Amino acid sequence: AQSVTQLGSHVSVSEGALVLLRCNYSSSVPPYLFWYVQYPNQGLQLLLKYTSAATLVKGINGFEAEFKKSETSFHLTKPSAHMSDAAEYFCAVSDRWNQGGKLIFGQGTELSVKP
Amino acid sequence: DGGITQSPKYLFRKEGQNVTLSCEQNLNHDAMYWYRQDPGQGLRLIYYSQIVNDFQKGDIAEGYSVSREKKESFPLTVTSAQKNPTAFYLCASSIGPSGRAGDEQFFGPGTRLTVL
Repeated sequence: AQSVTQLGSHVSVSEGALVLLRCNYSSSVPPYLFWYVQYPNQGLQLLLKYTSAATLVKGINGFEAEFKKSETSFHLTKPSAHMSDAAEYFCAVSDRWNQGGKLIFGQGTELSVKP
Repeated sequence: DGGITQSPKYLFRKEGQNVTLSCEQNLNHDAMYWYRQDPGQGLRLIYYSQIVNDFQKGDIAEGYSVSREKKESFPLTVTSAQKNPTAFYLCASSIGPSGRAGDEQFFGPGTRLTVL
């Protein structure tokens, strides 16, 4: 079965530092991949998605992610963290033959940004 | 503005009671989903619906029920059979006529259910 692993349930960075949130998927065929952000007590908002058009995907709020088939990874990065980036981030995957458009989510990574 | 609304935002229930969570969307999306979120466990799929009058069980459907009588609405009932219902519930929708793979899901603001 398809699965997603997010390495690190908590990541802490200083304001202005590089943000790196890790996501690995398990699939023999490259799936569709998504990153979502969730602020406290709110729903999820799409940051970016990979659908095979380009391996480097740019999203909102300065985030980007690179699809690496050889590493089965889709890590999320941002060059310079801002206090407003503090939130929980979820990586999700969808099989290319998935009926119903179901997404499988990782367990989430909580990002803290220190002043 | 188009979007997904969930109500109420906070809900308290006594043990043994059924309770219904509302989800409405005006995005004209065909597919709708219900997720449960618990700390440290990510989102788990409860039920999903690709078209009106049809829905399928997700990974944790036991103790829950849904209906899809209208395209815009996908209410979730948490029954007394659900052993541990206290959680944050999220409703989502996507555009695809059959919930196509690759379509992103749009989420509502969530309902926090607490069993007293």
